Amino acid sequence: DIVMTQGALPNPVPSGESASITCQSSKSLLHSNGKTYLNWYLQRPGQSPQLLIYWMSTRASGVSDRFSGSGSGTDFTLKISSVEAEDVGVYYCQQFLEYPYTFGAGTKLELK
Amino acid sequence: QVQLKESGPGLVQPSQTLSLTCTVSGFSLMDYSVHWVRQPPGKGLEWMGRMKYDGDTYYNSALKSRLSISRDTSKSQVFLKMNSLQTEDTAIYYCTRALFMDAWGQGASVTVSS
Repeated sequence: DIVMTQGALPNPVPSGESASITCQSSKSLLHSNGKTYLNWYLQRPGQSPQLLIYWMSTRASGVSDRFSGSGSGTDFTLKISSVEAEDVGVYYCQQFLEYPYTFGAGTKLELK
Repeated sequence: QVQLKESGPGLVQPSQTLSLTCTVSGFSLMDYSVHWVRQPPGKGLEWMGRMKYDGDTYYNSALKSRLSISRDTSKSQVFLKMNSLQTEDTAIYYCTRALFMDAWGQGASVTVSS
């Protein structure tokens, strides 16, 4: 199985500051078709996860442009510019290159 | 709009079978896959399996021997059955749409306890 490893945030993050969440995969998620099979989700407290980013860097519909995804085949970053109260929660990266699809353990963002 | 809703028993006895239903609206099961994902209390997300739009299924090998996913397209429902439940299967069970999991149900809380 592909292992997804997420980094921690130096919580709490001051409101208005930027935050970067890292994710590393045990295998390259770059497909021969040129697409990278990596998604990012946010799970706010008490809610279901919601899709933020797919194909490593494409924002999902309705997602603020304060969120951006980048990376290479195995190292990825979700950047949140100007953190707001609504950004609080747990962020997950997930690979969908191979079955079983696997998630990182999650990175918690707390606001100062 | 796109909606998914899980339903099922909140409490299951150890060694018994869990049956959950995901009822969808706003899209067709013949156009989109549906996945099941679970989350134990205070823990992360685990992908369990999927029903593809063409009726094909795929399961997490860690659960494959206990898990079955089926559907009724006429009722826009996807079913999850998992047998031999143990306390570690206590979790919130979500159904979610498609490759990008762009829509999620509110989750069904399942407790395995006698």
